[in-house]
Amino acid sequence: SAVISQKPSRDICQRGTSLTIQCQVDSQVTMMFWYRQQPGQSLTLIATANQGSEATYESGFVIDKFPISRPNLTFSTLTVSNMSPEDSSIYLCSVGGGVEQYFGPGTRLTVT
Amino acid sequence: QKEVEQNSGPLSVPEGAIASLNCTYSDRVSQSFFWYRQYSGKSPELIMSIYSNGDKEDGRFTAQLNKASQYVSLLIRDSQPSDSATYLCAVIFSNNYGQNFVFGPGTRLSVLP
Repeated sequence: SAVISQKPSRDICQRGTSLTIQCQVDSQVTMMFWYRQQPGQSLTLIATANQGSEATYESGFVIDKFPISRPNLTFSTLTVSNMSPEDSSIYLCSVGGGVEQYFGPGTRLTVT
Repeated sequence: QKEVEQNSGPLSVPEGAIASLNCTYSDRVSQSFFWYRQYSGKSPELIMSIYSNGDKEDGRFTAQLNKASQYVSLLIRDSQPSDSATYLCAVIFSNNYGQNFVFGPGTRLSVLP
């Protein structure tokens, strides 16, 4: 499976600011996904990052809050905008390997 | 509403016993099913995938699928303390826009030495 890295691994941010999370894959992949895992909860899909077109967002997630870029087949970014304490979560990038999905190490975000 | 359900646990088993983790899903036409293991503070790791009815074995892990009952399970034989983690069941659901991975809430497993 692909090797996936994320930056930063963790951050503490102030309310009202924005944070951009980077996801890098060591091989070209068609499908990249962004998930959120709130404390003690399971994973919730935020959006599918499409190369060359706008991301596809799931219900409850909007582009203004979570803008996504996918400039090529190995890289994507997720921005968490105008943060509030409710955005404190782990944000995970995943890539599709055929049918299966593999996850990056995650970014632990704390908003104060 | 596409749903994946699991007992949240914690499920406690003694070392060396068989741990049985269960998952049910709401969409009868789903074809792809996955088990992920997530250690505390780590990201999910894919441990099993299953697509056909019956059993699929990989080392100490056996996945069982019954599409008629909309039920998938994971058996861990000879459980070890290192198996203590949260186990997430994931199902691919299809809709008009494509396919979505939907995760269950996870079952926390504790293997007692």
